[in-house]
Amino acid sequence: DTAVSQTPKYLVTQMGNDKSIKCEQNLGHDTMYWYKQDSKKFLKIMFSYNNKELIINETVPNRFSPKSPDKAHLNLHINSLELGDSAVYFCASSQGRKGPYEQYFGPGTRLTVT
Amino acid sequence: AQSVAQPEDQVNVAEGNPLTVKCTYSVSGNPYLFWYVQYPNRGLQFLLKYITGDNLVKGSYGFEAEFNKSQTSFHLKKPSALVSDSALYFCAVRDMGTPLVFGKGTRLSVIA
Repeated sequence: DTAVSQTPKYLVTQMGNDKSIKCEQNLGHDTMYWYKQDSKKFLKIMFSYNNKELIINETVPNRFSPKSPDKAHLNLHINSLELGDSAVYFCASSQGRKGPYEQYFGPGTRLTVT
Repeated sequence: AQSVAQPEDQVNVAEGNPLTVKCTYSVSGNPYLFWYVQYPNRGLQFLLKYITGDNLVKGSYGFEAEFNKSQTSFHLKKPSALVSDSALYFCAVRDMGTPLVFGKGTRLSVIA
């Protein structure tokens, strides 16, 4: 069983389009995250949700909008895609948000904007 | 603000030799420290973590890490490297309630 899954794995689209990436975890975790990994492999947190509530919203353009319909799902919608949005996006989850909990990562979604 | 430094972009080691991947950190409170590994086209996998207590932490796949408070370091080690250990390794730090901050990663290449 896949612990943290993301769809799609690859996403190729044109500038100006709107796209969504879905994430699901079956670990029963309370906290979920979205990270962006750029071409140099640098990993930066974008958002964090705890029990469907947004708790971290880093400096991310408001074209990016997360949505958590329940605590097992955290989707990422991106409007008006730009070339600079090309990256690998990782979803992750953890048991909680304040303790020393390790995070479990999904396989990533490679977004290419042309 | 917390930060992590991984001073080496690349570490090369011969198979069977011991390996060390370096990490230093800066955090205002007591640190929670983590090591993750990323294989090509995969997500990050948790290897081990330090919370408190024994300075030597053992993790998955024979890896261990040594916490040194005075040097603010948390180096990843393995006594005998395998070719299959070749991957990208990330050190990460947080304290209570703050987001996890990752280092820039160190690429480990184990040569047969």
